[in-house]
Amino acid sequence: GDSVTQTEGQVTVSESKSLIINCTYSATSIAYPNLFWYVRYPGEGLQLLLKVITAGQKGSSRGFEATYNKETTSFHLQKASVQESDSAVYYCALSDDSGYNKLTFGKGTVLLVSP
Amino acid sequence: DAGVTQTPRHEVAEKGQTIILKCEPVSGHNDLFWYRQTKIQGLELLSYFRSKSLMEDGGAFKDRFKAEMLNSSFSTLKIQPTEPKDSAVYLCASSPGINQDTQYFGPGTRLLVL
Repeated sequence: GDSVTQTEGQVTVSESKSLIINCTYSATSIAYPNLFWYVRYPGEGLQLLLKVITAGQKGSSRGFEATYNKETTSFHLQKASVQESDSAVYYCALSDDSGYNKLTFGKGTVLLVSP
Repeated sequence: DAGVTQTPRHEVAEKGQTIILKCEPVSGHNDLFWYRQTKIQGLELLSYFRSKSLMEDGGAFKDRFKAEMLNSSFSTLKIQPTEPKDSAVYLCASSPGINQDTQYFGPGTRLLVL
């Protein structure tokens, strides 16, 4: 089946420093799945951060970027300068674009931004 | 627009009890999902409905977990009987439908089984 692997556990970054959270995927049901990053801020529900459906394209939101790389089957999340308010749990996910909207999620990465 | 709502937000149960979690999807959405979230396993799909029809019923969860969707605006997840290993956050999400795969999540129900 499909699977998503992302940076495990907690990542601690100092405010204003750069961030990368790694995500790689394996999609057995479709060659080019749709790729997502979801985020859960403290006290809030899980919400979509960004989505890319076309290989080679980049998605961006709230200063975060992720590029769909079909050669390396990766979708790393990056930000040039993090803020304390970015502290949250980030999930990488894919859907098989079959018309059925089931998502396969990674296990989540806790980002802690220190002042 | 109202988002996905879930009740209760917190639940404490004794081992062996039956608990029912409730979810109201975004109005007009055709797809509804139930997930279990734990630190170790992350998000695990329990059930998936499209237009009230059960599309997927997570294999590992079939014996004690039962999700139902009797109308398009309400779903329940029953756990019977509960076990301590069921302690987790249960998330409900909805999605508009075909070719609209972004999911919108509720705040979750935190279940503790003693």
